[in-house]
Amino acid sequence: KQEVTQIPAALSVPEGENLVLNCSFTDSAIYNLQWFRQDPGKGLTSLLLIQSSQREQTSGRLNASLDKSSGRSTLYIAASQPGDSATYLCALNFGNEKLTFGTGTRLTIIP
Amino acid sequence: DADVTQTPRNRITKTGKRIMLECSQTKGHDRMYWYRQDPGLGLRLIYYSFDVKDINKGEISDGYSVSRQAQAKFSLSLESAIPNQTALYFCATSDWTDNYGYTFGSGTRLTVV
Repeated sequence: KQEVTQIPAALSVPEGENLVLNCSFTDSAIYNLQWFRQDPGKGLTSLLLIQSSQREQTSGRLNASLDKSSGRSTLYIAASQPGDSATYLCALNFGNEKLTFGTGTRLTIIP
Repeated sequence: DADVTQTPRNRITKTGKRIMLECSQTKGHDRMYWYRQDPGLGLRLIYYSFDVKDINKGEISDGYSVSRQAQAKFSLSLESAIPNQTALYFCATSDWTDNYGYTFGSGTRLTVV
């Protein structure tokens, strides 16, 4: 069974700080990995998509990395803002038509 | 307009009633999916479709049915709703044109009383 773990489960940081969210997985045979954010009771917004052959992707203040050999992906958020407060989910595509989601990290940015 | 639109946004229904959740997309993607999200259980796949003639069960399809009316439309039905089907339901699409990244709708919050 593919397991995807996100640590920490919750994180609070002051506004302006840089932070890293972690996603660990046991099966490295992934097709791609996608990071989402979800606001309470809302939909999933795609942040970054990393293909199996890529090491990282960047979008604005966000940078996601992928290290298949260690079974790890990180999402780096620079200069955090209160609007970044949300739950962040990593999702792995193993090519079997079912995304395997991580357990999520609930992020709170303190003004 | 959103790439993936779900209707209704919220719905309260009674046990035993039939209800349909609708999803439409403007991305031109072939693949469409229905997921449900429950606190503590994450997102689970209900059904998925590769095209209008190809529909497949996911991990929790019991009690649900789907219809792919067109490439752009994929509806989910609860034939006889029960309280443990209370959840947040998401429709999603993916395609090779987007490197098989997923695009999710805003969700339908369904409450069965």
